[in-house]
Parts: sequence; C-alpha cells; structure tokens
Amino acid sequence: GAGVSQSPSNKVTEKGKDVELRCDPISGHTALYWYRQSLGQGLEFLIYFQGNSAPDKSGLPSDRFSAERTGGSVSTLTIQRTQQEDSAVYLCASSFTGTGGTEAFFGQGTRLTVV
Amino acid sequence: GEDVEQSLFLSVREGDSSVINCTYTDSSSTYLYWYKQEPGAGLQLLTYIFSNMDMKQDQRLTVLLNKKDKHLSLRIADTQTGDSAIYFCAEPYGGATNKLIFGTGTLLAVQP
Repeated sequence: GAGVSQSPSNKVTEKGKDVELRCDPISGHTALYWYRQSLGQGLEFLIYFQGNSAPDKSGLPSDRFSAERTGGSVSTLTIQRTQQEDSAVYLCASSFTGTGGTEAFFGQGTRLTVV
Repeated sequence: GEDVEQSLFLSVREGDSSVINCTYTDSSSTYLYWYKQEPGAGLQLLTYIFSNMDMKQDQRLTVLLNKKDKHLSLRIADTQTGDSAIYFCAEPYGGATNKLIFGTGTLLAVQP
C-alpha cells in the first residue's frame, strides 16, 4: 500500500484477554517501530526492528508484551492478559533505513480500550 | 537516560510567533527531528536539522540547535489556527541500535 497500515483501528477488550495488533509497513522499509501514546505521556518507545538484526525490545513495559516481524515485513504486537493501564493508542512506523536522516512514516494507530 | 523533554502546553494568539523547546539526550545524534500530530491524524515529519548546523529555516519554520546544551527549538512565525497540533521532537538514540526516541510532545493552541 501507499502508507503504513494498522489494524484494527479500534479494539475494545475485556481485562485479562489477549490482543493482537497488526502493522503493514511501507514496502521496502527495513526499519519498523512500535510506540504507545497515552494521554499526557507522549510517545513511549516499545520495540524496534531493523532488517535482520535482533530487535531492540528495551521499551516493552512487561513480559506480557511481545512483537514479531515476519519476513521482514508485517509486524504483530501481542499483549497478553491485558490490564486497564494498557489502554492507549498503539502506533507503528516504518522507515527506509534505521539510521538518522530518514523519515519515519506513521500509521493511524490502533486505539486499545481495556474494560 | 533516553528522556527527550518538552514543555507540555503552549498557547499563542494568531499572528504571533510560537517557540517550542526540546532538550535531548544523545550528543552523537546526527539528525534531530520535529514531527507534527494534528487532531485525529497520524504523526508526520515537519522538519529536521543536521547536527552540524546551528539553524535551519523553512518558510515560517526556524529550527535552532544548541549542541553544547543539547537544546533544540522550533519557531513558527505568524502562527495560524491551522498550526494547532501536538509537536514532538525526536532523536535517533544510539547505543546498540539507532531507535527513534520522541519527546513528550507540546500541545500548541492557537487562539484566534
């Protein structure tokens, strides 16, 4: 597609359930990022994939969070046993390279609400 | 640490200049970025500056960089109501990887 696509756009889930959020990056982009945006919290870095390198998972808030990127393209962010504090907008971005000097393109995000 | 700091809120009148400030952390960052998030929309790159520059001007936008103090600012001249948005500064934070770290964001409210 022309841009970064995320699905679903909205997700309401019950506390304790698992959820999967999907990101389709721009074709050919080697770097892929996941961020979380909560009210008043800015953009919190979660995880970063760059080519075939091991992902930088340093931003994942707990072991309930995991992400994978299959075939260097589509990525899935999984949250197990969701908690109310997981409610936020989850943003995915991709860029052509992982180094500074390139533009990161963002999807519209998935708004997750845990009830 | 990796914290990129910004003030949370700025209110200006239409036609005035706006200055949004940012303090970053990685002195080795080669580029520094400003992103804009309009209501209900995704983030988009607004402008950037290379670290060997002190200033970059792009129409109504002026970016100033003070590497010594790790301070970045974005000045918007003749601010319009359409400039109302959240503005994020960002840096590629080094270390083992070169992930893009964003600031807390500054909400710019332009009063008519």
